[in-house]
Amino acid sequence: GQQVMQIPQYQHVQEGEDFTTYCNSSTTLSNIQWYKQRPGGHPVFLIQLVKSGEVKKQKRLTFQFGEAKKNSSLHITATQTTDVGTYFCAGGSGYSTLTFGKGTMLLVSP
Amino acid sequence: GAVVSQHPSWVICKSGTSVKIECRSLDFQATTMFWYRQFPKQSLMLMATSNEGSKATYEQGVEKDKFLINHASLTLSTLTVTSAHPEDSSFYICSARDILEGNSNQPQHFGDGTRLSIL
Repeated sequence: GQQVMQIPQYQHVQEGEDFTTYCNSSTTLSNIQWYKQRPGGHPVFLIQLVKSGEVKKQKRLTFQFGEAKKNSSLHITATQTTDVGTYFCAGGSGYSTLTFGKGTMLLVSP
Repeated sequence: GAVVSQHPSWVICKSGTSVKIECRSLDFQATTMFWYRQFPKQSLMLMATSNEGSKATYEQGVEKDKFLINHASLTLSTLTVTSAHPEDSSFYICSARDILEGNSNQPQHFGDGTRLSIL
């Protein structure tokens, strides 16, 4: 079945440093979605990428979808303490379900 | 918009008890809802896909008789953990997709989750 791998599992940065998490799928995806889960909370939808090579920005967050639609990345510029949480990518294959990556836990020290 | 309410948020009960968790889409209709299980510092593991008016589709390794799913309306799905044991303790989260949004190319809206602790 489809597998979605996400690295790193964990990253600890100083406030102001950049952060990137990477996502790779074993199969070509129809779309990839990114979610953020704060400690003790539930996943919250951030963005969806559909097109090959697509790049989208949300303030300090930059999302990319690979040309082959098998990989994606989320980059945060100048992290803030409010960025703390676990970031999940989730790959869609055209069916109704999503396959979630294991997530990257981000800790930001002030 | 797109609010999903999950209840209860926290359950502590004795081994052998059956626990029902409700998932409601408050401001949209959902033909499909999803039930996930999440262990501490782990990813979301899809347990089953709940389809309104039909039987749920369970993922491999998930016991149908253990985790009963009912999706009786376009706004409500329930998960019942039958005869719960300590190993069933986990964080259970539901999500729903707006009926107007169709397939996997649209976001899932998550409930707040239910922390289940079986003593």
